[in-house]
Amino acid sequence: NAGVTQTPKFQVLKTGQSMTLQCAQDMNHNSMYWYRQDPGMGLRLIYYSASEGTTDKGEVPNGYNVSRLNKREFSLRLESAAPSQTSVYFCASRPPKNEKLFFGSGTQLSVL
Amino acid sequence: GQQVMQIPQYQHVQEGEDFTTYCNSSTTLSNIQWYKQRPGGHPVFLIQLVKSGEVKKQKRLTFQFGEAKKNSSLHITATQTTDVGTYFCAGHNTDKLIFGTGTRLQVFP
Repeated sequence: NAGVTQTPKFQVLKTGQSMTLQCAQDMNHNSMYWYRQDPGMGLRLIYYSASEGTTDKGEVPNGYNVSRLNKREFSLRLESAAPSQTSVYFCASRPPKNEKLFFGSGTQLSVL
Repeated sequence: GQQVMQIPQYQHVQEGEDFTTYCNSSTTLSNIQWYKQRPGGHPVFLIQLVKSGEVKKQKRLTFQFGEAKKNSSLHITATQTTDVGTYFCAGHNTDKLIFGTGTRLQVFP
């Protein structure tokens, strides 16, 4: 099992560009999450999906959209990137009846 | 909304010294989890506490959940250089897991 796989690992964008961060898990987990990590602010929840076909806003959803394409995949889209979205993005999944999160290795995004 | 704060933000210790990080939530938690993130890595689950006043140990690590289920602590006895990293607490709010701000631990040999 690969666990939670995120692509790309690194990305540099110009202000106003769009891009999609990809996340896939092969553990048959129901719930999936997107977090961003900034120095001194911990991990902040952007969006989550409790099951296939559902998505909900987290703490900091503005400027982002998500798609739960199927049970395996949960993508995060930046329609018009801004410098404030420079961050490390982590995808995570959670098995049913278990509170523990499994994280991907992260995507380091810089918006110039 | 729910807020989870941790103190201190940074801690530098000499190898062999003890270390404690404290976690406080603005709301009562159903459970609390702790994660460790090594430099350049991703968060890795350490433990979950569910019961009021619960204490759990993992080798040199001791985790406590407060009686009111609004605070928690992680204590490391006799730190080692392998303990370096950022420690996060996280509390559940329905389906959302809200992370604390983290404590970054540096251990000097």
